[in-house]
Amino acid sequence: EVQLLESGGGLKQPGETLRLSCAAYGFTFPDYPMGWVRQAPGKGPEWVSSIGASGTSRFYADSVTGRLTVSRDNPRNTLYLQVNSLRAEDTAVYYCVKDMGQENWPHAFDFWGRGILVTVSS
Amino acid sequence: EVVLTQSPATLTLSPGERATLSCRASQSVSDYLVWFQQKPGQAPRLLIYDATIRATGIPARFSGSGSGTDFTLTINSLQPEDFAVYYCQQRRSWPLTFGGGTRVEMK
Repeated sequence: EVQLLESGGGLKQPGETLRLSCAAYGFTFPDYPMGWVRQAPGKGPEWVSSIGASGTSRFYADSVTGRLTVSRDNPRNTLYLQVNSLRAEDTAVYYCVKDMGQENWPHAFDFWGRGILVTVSS
Repeated sequence: EVVLTQSPATLTLSPGERATLSCRASQSVSDYLVWFQQKPGQAPRLLIYDATIRATGIPARFSGSGSGTDFTLTINSLQPEDFAVYYCQQRRSWPLTFGGGTRVEMK
């Protein structure tokens, strides 16, 4: 069974750095691209970042370019997201997502974690 | 950036009725269009990918159609568990984008 377990969220101060982790289980993690999608309270989902299976290719939403770094540790089956200079508008539930594509990506996000709430407030 | 516009914002229907949801793209996305369902407090769930292909385990009452810029998600004979918010998303080009959603609520 595929499981994606996010950690590292919580209450953060504006300007701080956030580091989220996503532990993946139940599939061959190194074979698949992965990503992060966030959802602000009462809003729709917003794609944030995607990373290819090997970690070489990385893509970011324009709204966060320059402040985000996505990375992965394939031997540890773990995906990471670092967000610098946190702002109030970064407040959201952050979902770790698995991309179903392999050679052909981006494809659809076929599995989502339960999400982790990040609140940015002083 | 591809902008996806979903309509209507809210659809009010009774169980057993058919729901027709629309997603329009600001430029062609070919058939690289995905539909998700989201219930309160839950993560989105993949329903349809590549405009017409049902994801694993999705009931046959869910169907997708369209290509280019105009897409439709149809839910035949709404079941109580189908009342939720539905989002479309394109994977044709970076950045990946989502529509604003259609809420299907019970009459």
